[in-house]
Amino acid sequence: GESVGLHLPTLSVQEGDNSIINCAYSNSASDYFIWYKQESGKGPQFIIDIRSNMDKRQGQRVTVLLNKTVKHLSLQIAATQPGDSAVYFCAEILTGGGNKLTFGTGTQLKVEL
Amino acid sequence: EPEVTQTPSHQVTQMGQEVILRCVPISNHLYFYWYRQILGQKVEFLVSFYNNEISEKSEIFDDQFSVERPDGSNFTLKIRSTKLEDSAMYFCASSLRLAGTGSGANVLTFGAGSRLTVL
Repeated sequence: GESVGLHLPTLSVQEGDNSIINCAYSNSASDYFIWYKQESGKGPQFIIDIRSNMDKRQGQRVTVLLNKTVKHLSLQIAATQPGDSAVYFCAEILTGGGNKLTFGTGTQLKVEL
Repeated sequence: EPEVTQTPSHQVTQMGQEVILRCVPISNHLYFYWYRQILGQKVEFLVSFYNNEISEKSEIFDDQFSVERPDGSNFTLKIRSTKLEDSAMYFCASSLRLAGTGSGANVLTFGAGSRLTVL
């Protein structure tokens, strides 16, 4: 029969609330981080990035926080909208170390009306 | 807005058959990548390609796989003798600069993917 993939962590929020999506990255030497959004049937789309010399970066309705001590990234989405429903992945790059973009495990965000 | 286009969007094949997935990267980009995503799992790096040669490949990218840039616009992934576990979504991506040296949305631009189903 068909194999079943891993179930992604799911975050359900009410429309208009703020969302916080967390990610633990794997390589303490990684120095560049990106959040991607993946809607059903589509490829990953860039949301926001941050370099390791920063701990916070803000975009339009989104904020990324980086805690290098515990290798943790978070993505905050303000005033979550139905169009924000998607799977969110963090990704890390070690620049100068092959510059390979490595994705973390995604989180499914569901926005309830 | 420039985009990465992939064909076919979905391919069904029998185990043991060869498959070629095609990608047209953004025209002025210099670096090309293939990633795959097994259903419900994370996106995994397969291979990167620059200056007509592989620059890095993962342990997944074994002798079963090959990549080619046969002309100035296409970038292909060939899977020889497909296995059931090759069933996945395959994403092509491209970038103008080496990943991490650009910024913002210029890091990598992904295509919509090609779904491969091996029966």
